[in-house]
Amino acid sequence: AQSVAQPEDQVNVAEGNPLTVKCTYSVSGNPYLFWYVQYPNRGLQFLLKYITGDNLVKGSYGFEAEFNKSQTSFHLKKPSALVSDSALYFCAVRDLQTGANNLFFGTGTRLTVIP
Amino acid sequence: GAGVSQSPRYKVAKRGQDVALRCDPISGHVSLFWYQQALGQGPEFLTYFQNEAQLDKSGLPSDRFFAERPEGSVSTLKIQRTQQEDSAVYLCASSLGGGTSGAYEQYFGPGTRLTVT
Repeated sequence: AQSVAQPEDQVNVAEGNPLTVKCTYSVSGNPYLFWYVQYPNRGLQFLLKYITGDNLVKGSYGFEAEFNKSQTSFHLKKPSALVSDSALYFCAVRDLQTGANNLFFGTGTRLTVIP
Repeated sequence: GAGVSQSPRYKVAKRGQDVALRCDPISGHVSLFWYQQALGQGPEFLTYFQNEAQLDKSGLPSDRFFAERPEGSVSTLKIQRTQQEDSAVYLCASSLGGGTSGAYEQYFGPGTRLTVT
């Protein structure tokens, strides 16, 4: 069975500081991994994905994430946080072995960037 | 370009009523997904279409839930005899590819917030 864990419900960071939002996953086979951001009253917006290749993937708005197979992690990072980055962040996985096309989401991490 | 749109954005239904939620995916997108997002939770998969074919409905919580995409574009999620536990945000997503090519990212609509009283 596939699962995604986002161990922190809330992350607070000062504006200008680096931020990390953690994600670990469990799948039967190889994973496709995704990060989405959700602003109030809006749908999820795609940030970045890991499919294959380079373990460090870069995405929208200066975000990046590093795929670590041995630690089964896919943490989201940004070198310098902006107040406008404050939102709800979801990590998601697709387990290739199951053959299912849907994404399995974590419970989300609320990021607050303090001015 | 136009993204995924959903209507209505908000729906209040009395327990026992039937509701229909509409999704207009991005033009040309083969795959369409419905998810249910409860308050404080991540989205949970309901059903998946590839063009007009409903290939996976394993996430539908009961036989009161029914989805269709008859022409491979617009989709409707119908909930019959709504119950309070159906209250949630229903998200629709579409992606360019289909089949086993799950590498394509999904683009989400704004959701329909359903409240059953």
